[in-house]
Formats: sequence, C-alpha cells, structure tokens
Amino acid sequence: GIQVEQSPPDLILQEGANSTLRCNFSDSVNNLQWFHQNPWGQLINLFYIPSGTKQNGRLSATTVATERYSLLYISSSQTTDSGVYFCAVATPFTGTASKLTFGTGTRLQVTL
Amino acid sequence: NAGVTQTPKFQVLKTGQSMTLQCAQDMNHEYMSWYRQDPGMGLRLIHYSVGAGITDQGEVPNGYNVSRSTTEDFPLRLLSAAPSQTSVYFCASSRDGGSVGSPLHFGNGTRLTVT
Repeated sequence: GIQVEQSPPDLILQEGANSTLRCNFSDSVNNLQWFHQNPWGQLINLFYIPSGTKQNGRLSATTVATERYSLLYISSSQTTDSGVYFCAVATPFTGTASKLTFGTGTRLQVTL
Repeated sequence: NAGVTQTPKFQVLKTGQSMTLQCAQDMNHEYMSWYRQDPGMGLRLIHYSVGAGITDQGEVPNGYNVSRSTTEDFPLRLLSAAPSQTSVYFCASSRDGGSVGSPLHFGNGTRLTVT
C-alpha cells in the first residue's frame, strides 16, 4: 500500500517562531488533507488540498502532487498550536470508495 | 450545528462483553467511517459507509459490525470485546459519497478499555 512519511517526527518551537512540516507519499493520490490533533485528542481538519496552495490565518499548505509531497507552514506559532499534525492521502480502496491513509504525524510543542 | 457526535466518551468493558459506540452527524454527509487510533499504529480504518444502506469493510474490520439505516447514524458494534480492542475510536464523515473528495470531519472520540 501507499506509504505516507512525515517529518520531522518531533518539533519544539518557541512562541513566535515559524515552522514547516513535510508530508511525502509514495504513490499518486486523489487528494490530501491536513489535520491537527490537539492535546485533548480532538482531530480538526485544517486543509483539504489535493494540489496548489491554501492559506487560513497563520497556517498555509502547499501540495505538489506530481512530486508527491505536501508542506504545512505555521507562522508566528502560539502555544495553542501544540499537538500532533497528521497528513492523510486518499487512494482507491474498493470499487465504491477511496480511503484515507494517515501519516505517523509530527508532534509539535510550542513553548513560551 | 453539532457536527459529528460520538457517545460515550469513555467506556470500560470486560473481555467478552458487547457494546455499541454511537455516531451521529447533522451535516447530511453521505460518507461516514470509523477509525481506531493506537500508539505507533496511527489511525486505521475499521468500516465505512458511502450512503444509507451501504457499508463496507476497512483495513481492520474483524470483531466489529456496522449498519447504516439512516444518513445521520453510523453505530459501531463490538461483538465480543477483547483486550486488543483497547483503543481510541473516532467516527468521521464527509460530504462526498466515496472518493473522500471533501474534507473529513471527526467526532471527539471514544476511549475504550477492555480488561
């Protein structure tokens, strides 16, 4: 099956710093999504981004599907950005549906 | 707008007991799915549904049943709980019927412990 690798696995930032998280995938995909799992365990959809660039406040994401990677940028990080960031790619699973395969995540800790 | 609602939040079962994890969404989404999240294993798909009356197996379906009698509800049944089913379970939905061609929205999860 498809492999989804995220880097770095762990990241510690001081508040106000910027960061880039990377997601590499081993095969062509139908689409890609980024999620944030906060320290309480909630999974929040950040971006649905099969290709191109999107921005939402301090966060932005870029997917280059032809080169099989996506980047998540966090600018001016805040303590509320702490948690685990997952990318997930959709690939054909059965005749009726695709499925999302999740990467193993980047654990981000933002300190004061 | 509640989104995806899961109940209960926490549950402890003894080996061999059965139970149902409830999931409901109020967004009129066609696609609903169940994942389990385990340390070191990430999120894995258990079962999914592309519409009312249609369900199919995911990557790790053994020991679980689902049904989809309405668009809104997608319960997950554990038939005979085993310690290997100790996990955090997430229900998720999206507008798109099958290609996951729209954002996936998760419930807040159910933490299940089987002793």
